[in-house]
Amino acid sequence: RKEVEQDPGPFNVPEGATVAFNCTYSNSASQSFFWYRQDCRKEPKLLMSVYSSGNEDGRFTAQLNRASQYISLLIRDSKLSDSATYLCAVRGAAGNKLTFGGGTRVLVKP
Amino acid sequence: GAGVSQSPRYKVTKRGQDVALRCDPISGHVSLYWYRQALGQGPEFLTYFNYEAQQDKSGLPNDRFSAERPEGSISTLTIQRTEQRDSAMYRCASSLGTGKETQYFGPGTRLLVL
Repeated sequence: RKEVEQDPGPFNVPEGATVAFNCTYSNSASQSFFWYRQDCRKEPKLLMSVYSSGNEDGRFTAQLNRASQYISLLIRDSKLSDSATYLCAVRGAAGNKLTFGGGTRVLVKP
Repeated sequence: GAGVSQSPRYKVTKRGQDVALRCDPISGHVSLYWYRQALGQGPEFLTYFNYEAQQDKSGLPNDRFSAERPEGSISTLTIQRTEQRDSAMYRCASSLGTGKETQYFGPGTRLLVL
């Protein structure tokens, strides 16, 4: 089993709709959680950190469920420009390295 | 300001050759990370440095891979006796300090071993 797992998708989303997807992690000692966005042939860019209480940034909402060991990302009012691969990343208790999931591809269509 | 830069952006080499990949982190960033990303996968950790000290090299696949950061700024990832399975995107990232800050990624070096 991989340390961090994601549904690869693609999630085909009508413009204006809401889409949500999860990322599961296996190490219960994981400390920090992140969502990165990666456009085709580009580098990953931090979308948002995920806090225990959940957090929102505009149309994006991230949640952490420690009991079930998953994080989620919800995108409201999807825009064409939201089409990308969304990578979750987990940092362990020791050290700074990030462990990434394989990414979830989202395609927003008119 | 300038982001993380990497060179070369593309490298084609023949099996058995050595390659050196360079990373120039964001100015003032203490921590530097190397990842490898296969097509359709997320980045996979290789190694990281705080200043010039290599803190964790647990992700290096084998002893053909090495990295250094002698002056605590620019880093070089070296792959000796390259093999076709080494073909991938090699990404560098840097962060401000030794805490839990954001890691900023560079554009990567795409390595193709023929």
